[in-house]
Amino acid sequence: AAGVIQSPRHLIKEKRETATLKCYPIPRHDTVYWYQQGPGQDPQFLISFYEKMQSDKGSIPDRFSAQQFSDYHSELNMSSLELGDSALYFCASSLRDRVYGNTIYFGEGSWLTVV
Amino acid sequence: GEDVEQSLFLSVREGDSSVINCTYTDSSSTYLYWYKQEPGAGLQLLTYIFSNMDMKQDQRLTVLLNKKDKHLSLRIADTQTGDSAIYFCAEDGGATNKLIFGTGTLLAVQP
Repeated sequence: AAGVIQSPRHLIKEKRETATLKCYPIPRHDTVYWYQQGPGQDPQFLISFYEKMQSDKGSIPDRFSAQQFSDYHSELNMSSLELGDSALYFCASSLRDRVYGNTIYFGEGSWLTVV
Repeated sequence: GEDVEQSLFLSVREGDSSVINCTYTDSSSTYLYWYKQEPGAGLQLLTYIFSNMDMKQDQRLTVLLNKKDKHLSLRIADTQTGDSAIYFCAEDGGATNKLIFGTGTLLAVQP
């Protein structure tokens, strides 16, 4: 079965540079989420989109922005990178179901290292 | 993870049962989830339970939910070395549909 696809899997950037992460949700899923997991930490919710509209916002820095495109893929743009942005970034997707709820599946993550 | 708590570490012998516990705070959560994360890997959805259920069994996994005490547990029967990983519980915060993760429990299975 198709899973959530993230690219790139690994990324090394210098401070103050910009990085873009891409996410391709499971086909027919209507909701995309972005999470950040720092070393030894639990994943923290950043932002989500439902049917291409932003649906919820978490602890996402102002330097970060995200969007969901017409084909439902999503991109997370991170500018003015700081050392503390080094983390594993997860994308997840789900299909909202009024009966069965909202089972959320995660991608393998994109490792961002800021040097 | 400040609203969802788990014990940090659990060590068991291969073949024993493992029980990983989680306490959460948001009583409006609709679903509660268990995810497994192996070193350097992504989050694998193991199982989930609807908030109006007390128990759910899925092969070697048994989830127990005590909604009154806001306590969730995951029991793994016949634990194998391949079960060694970090296990995260998560709540969906009700209508927000975003997951709030616990601190994670590192399960170490000794051969």
